[in-house]
Amino acid sequence: DQQVKQNSPSLSVQEGRISILNCDYTNSMFDYFLWYKKYPAEGPTFLISISSIKDKNEDGRFTVFLNKSAKHLSLHIVPSQPGDSAVYFCAASRVTSGTYKYIFGTGTRLKVLA
Amino acid sequence: DVKVTQSSRYLVKRTGEKVFLECVQDMDHENMFWYRQDPGLGLRLIYFSYDVKMKEKGDIPEGYSVSREKKERFSLILESASTNQTSMYLCASSFSGGSNQPQHFGDGTRLSIL
Repeated sequence: DQQVKQNSPSLSVQEGRISILNCDYTNSMFDYFLWYKKYPAEGPTFLISISSIKDKNEDGRFTVFLNKSAKHLSLHIVPSQPGDSAVYFCAASRVTSGTYKYIFGTGTRLKVLA
Repeated sequence: DVKVTQSSRYLVKRTGEKVFLECVQDMDHENMFWYRQDPGLGLRLIYFSYDVKMKEKGDIPEGYSVSREKKERFSLILESASTNQTSMYLCASSFSGGSNQPQHFGDGTRLSIL
């Protein structure tokens, strides 16, 4: 059962426009959500996170929104740049038996067109 | 800057071989993780360790084992490699202290089992 879903495998956006990447989850016990970016032949790198007690977190061009009632989070990139072209993974975490685990989505490949 | 180093970028092995994937981190992180990444499936957790000599199964531990004899090193072992273990393997580490600690990833090992 996929607890964290990214239903769009790919997205293309013009340079300078907004990119919106979406993520849905099923488990209301998740208490932290994170976004990672992955370039080819590199490991994922942490981008931005949000606690379940907040509904928005902003870091420069990147903003993450959390809608707990809908179990939905989104990553907004404004303005989009060609260097943002990568695969984006959302992840959710929760404590289980005193340790915490991350559940990752399947990823969305973003292509920013110059 | 956190550095997570995986010993091999590419590895080709034969069915039935015992395969060792090594991972070293230099930030004194308590937690270490092994994932595999497959197209359309995202990152799936194989095993993780929250302390030396401690390990816990992730979501897909079958056919794998791990070893953590020193804090900085976490090894993934394929006891008898099979073709369905052909994949990209990613190691990660993080501080303990809560689910808000982002994971830092290595660049991955692309393993092919012939």
